[in-house]
Amino acid sequence: EDKVVQSPLSLVVHEGDTVTLNCSYEVTNFRSLLWYKQEKKAPTFLFMLTSSGIEKKSGRLSSILDKKELFSILNITATQTGDSAVYLCAVVAYSGAGSYQLTFGKGTKLSVIP
Amino acid sequence: DVKVTQSSRYLVKRTGEKVFLECVQDMDHENMFWYRQDPGLGLRLIYFSYDVKMKEKGDIPEGYSVSREKKERFSLILESASTNQTSMYLCASMSAINQPQHFGDGTRLSIL
Repeated sequence: EDKVVQSPLSLVVHEGDTVTLNCSYEVTNFRSLLWYKQEKKAPTFLFMLTSSGIEKKSGRLSSILDKKELFSILNITATQTGDSAVYLCAVVAYSGAGSYQLTFGKGTKLSVIP
Repeated sequence: DVKVTQSSRYLVKRTGEKVFLECVQDMDHENMFWYRQDPGLGLRLIYFSYDVKMKEKGDIPEGYSVSREKKERFSLILESASTNQTSMYLCASMSAINQPQHFGDGTRLSIL
């Protein structure tokens, strides 16, 4: 069974801190890994990673994938209270016969306090 | 921008009722998904559809069915609602496997 594990489950930091969120996975026929940010409503897309070692960056957020060690990290530098959210990791894998499977981790709840 | 619209933000129903949750997307996406999200359990896939009239079971299909009569609309049906189906339900759509999912705002369903 495909598995996606995020750590830590929750994290409290002060504004200005740098945080690293982890996502490890065990899937067969890996296709891609995605990060989402969920505040009060819909998860919003952050990054899609398909290749090892290539950092994706958007402002203060960055992410990288290691397909050998089967994990990804999401970094947030100079955190702000607006970064408080649940961060979700999802893995896409082929499941044969033209079909695929998406598996989500349980999320990391980040709280940034002033 | 892709828009995924779920018909209700909050819904309260009674045990045994048949419940319909509707989801519409406006970007001609092939793939649509229904998840439920519960504290400590994360997002769990109920059903997904990769084409009109096609459906695939996800991880927790029991007690649910779906309908995809038109490309833009994917309905989740609780045949006989039970209290353990109280949850946040999220719909998503995706154009292709190499693209991200886009989510609706969710429907918070309470079964009394």
